Amino acid sequence: GAVVSQHPSWVICKSGTSVKIECRSLDFQATTMFWYRQFPKQSLMLMATSNEGSKATYEQGVEKDKFLINHASLTLSTLTVTSAHPEDSSFYICSASRDRGWGEAFFGQGTRLTVV
Amino acid sequence: GENVEQHPSTLSVQEGDSAVIKCTYSDSASNYFPWYKQELGKRPQLIIDIRSNVGEKKDQRIAVTLNKTAKHFSLHITETQPEDSAVYFCAASKGGTGNQFYFGTGTSLTVIP
Repeated sequence: GAVVSQHPSWVICKSGTSVKIECRSLDFQATTMFWYRQFPKQSLMLMATSNEGSKATYEQGVEKDKFLINHASLTLSTLTVTSAHPEDSSFYICSASRDRGWGEAFFGQGTRLTVV
Repeated sequence: GENVEQHPSTLSVQEGDSAVIKCTYSDSASNYFPWYKQELGKRPQLIIDIRSNVGEKKDQRIAVTLNKTAKHFSLHITETQPEDSAVYFCAASKGGTGNQFYFGTGTSLTVIP
């Protein structure tokens, strides 16, 4: 099966610092990956589409300078939360689909970010 | 963009009963409709999906129906078990590897033993 690994699983950081989250497709290539944010007891909100070798596409209302996305290879996308504040605390989760396929999404295990 | 609505937001059923969750979507170009099960603090897991060229798909106790004309699709779980308790999300996509998934708001299912 297709495996997507996300790291770290949880992180606590001080307000004002930056945090990098990695999303890797372990056994398939993914030209496109997606980043979501999920608040407690709520749905997954699409933040941005990460494209290998080009700029990410952000959803309306998502600050691109706040949430930096880099998709440097066909198996790795990173999300950096810059100058984090307590309101950025959330569950961040990525997904990827096989380049050759219908588009079934495979999710990473998520990252619980707590900004103190 | 696509707008996916999901109902109900919470659902409690007795063990052995059936559970039905319904979703509607707005973009007629959407053609791939997966359902995910998410347990607390864990990643969503695909449980079943349906593509627009079929109206119904079944996998053991789980079935999904799709009405493209009405733009709605439903998840049916029969003979529910306590381990079915989780949050279920529907999603809609135009299919293909580069297309985004838009998720419903989720249904918290509780199966009472």
